[in-house]
Amino acid sequence: EAGVAQSPRYKIIEKRQSVAFWCNPISGHATLYWYQQILGQGPKLLIQFQNNGVVDDSQLPKDRFSAERLKGVDSTLKIQPAKLEDSAVYLCASSLAGGKNIQYFGAGTRLSVL
Amino acid sequence: GQQVMQIPQYQHVQEGEDFTTYCNSSTTLSNIQWYKQRPGGHPVFLIQLVKSGEVKKQKRLTFQFGEAKKNSSLHITATQTTDVGTYFCAGPWAAGNKLTFGGGTRVLVKP
Repeated sequence: EAGVAQSPRYKIIEKRQSVAFWCNPISGHATLYWYQQILGQGPKLLIQFQNNGVVDDSQLPKDRFSAERLKGVDSTLKIQPAKLEDSAVYLCASSLAGGKNIQYFGAGTRLSVL
Repeated sequence: GQQVMQIPQYQHVQEGEDFTTYCNSSTTLSNIQWYKQRPGGHPVFLIQLVKSGEVKKQKRLTFQFGEAKKNSSLHITATQTTDVGTYFCAGPWAAGNKLTFGGGTRVLVKP
């Protein structure tokens, strides 16, 4: 079974630039999550999708972050414009809807904002 | 909002020794999960505990859920270099399977 796919693995940008991350969840997983993990901290949920609808985006900085999952499968997370404090690993995870909410994580995208 | 705290933040262990890491939630949890993240890797699910006082074992790892369902512990016996990594506990909050992760315990093993 293929895992959660993310790209790119690494991204270096300058502040005020834009960046986008892509995630393809495990086939059949209706729920998709985007997390931000700052070095030395635990993952922090940014947004959760159920199919193509947003379940929770209460911790998403909406003035600069946006995410979509138009067809209920893969998803894109965008930052525009980036700030220095956005440097982190962005993790995508997926889980079965209505299951034990065990989450399967992708390898993440390591973002460095200079 | 819900807070999940883990202690210690760092654990330096001599190979072959045992240690325990603790997880405490500010609210009662319906369940608690543990994940392991190897250096440079991503979190990988280890186990889920659901019942009050539940104890589960995975080889040298023993997980326990507190009676009040507000705390949990992970005990590793005879630590090996393969145990290196950060161990996170995570508890669900509100509806929709959202998880709040603790800050993690970073385990370093001295050979």
